[in-house]
Amino acid sequence: NAGVTQTPKFQVLKTGQSMTLQCAQDMNHEYMSWYRQDPGMGLRLIHYSVGAGITDQGEVPNGYNVSRSTTEDFPLRLLSAAPSQTSVYFCASTRGRVGPQETQYFGPGTRLLVL
Amino acid sequence: GQQVMQIPQYQHVQEGEDFTTYCNSSTTLSNIQWYKQRPGGHPVFLIQLVKSGEVKKQKRLTFQFGEAKKNSSLHITATQTTDVGTYFCAEEYGNKLVFGAGTILRVKS
Repeated sequence: NAGVTQTPKFQVLKTGQSMTLQCAQDMNHEYMSWYRQDPGMGLRLIHYSVGAGITDQGEVPNGYNVSRSTTEDFPLRLLSAAPSQTSVYFCASTRGRVGPQETQYFGPGTRLLVL
Repeated sequence: GQQVMQIPQYQHVQEGEDFTTYCNSSTTLSNIQWYKQRPGGHPVFLIQLVKSGEVKKQKRLTFQFGEAKKNSSLHITATQTTDVGTYFCAEEYGNKLVFGAGTILRVKS
């Protein structure tokens, strides 16, 4: 199993551009999520999905869209990039819904710089 | 929103010294998870604590869950350079996993 994969690894955008961060998992996990990591602020949840066709907002959803058309894929779309979205983005998956005995598996991350 | 407070933010220790990071919540937690992130890497699950007063050990790492399930700690005995990184606690909140801000550990050899 490849686990959780993310592409691209690095990306530079200009303010106002849009792009999609890709995330895929091959573990048949139901739950997937996106986090952003900024210095001193830990990991903040952007959006999550408890299964195909179901998505919900996390702590910091503004400026981001997600969809979950398949169990495997959970892309994150930046609609109009802003410098405040410069961050490291992590995708994660869990076998079932968040709860006891469920652990999150993280992808390697995407480093995004918005100029 | 729900948040666990994690302290200290940063700690720099001499190799061989002990290290402890703490997580505190204002509410009772159903469970708490601990993750480690190496510099430049991604978070990796270490352990989950579920029961009140639970203590679990992984080699030199000792994890505790408070009796009231409102706090937790991670203690590393005799740190090594391989222990460097950021340690996060995370609590379950509804269908979400909410992370503390993390404690950055640096080890001087």
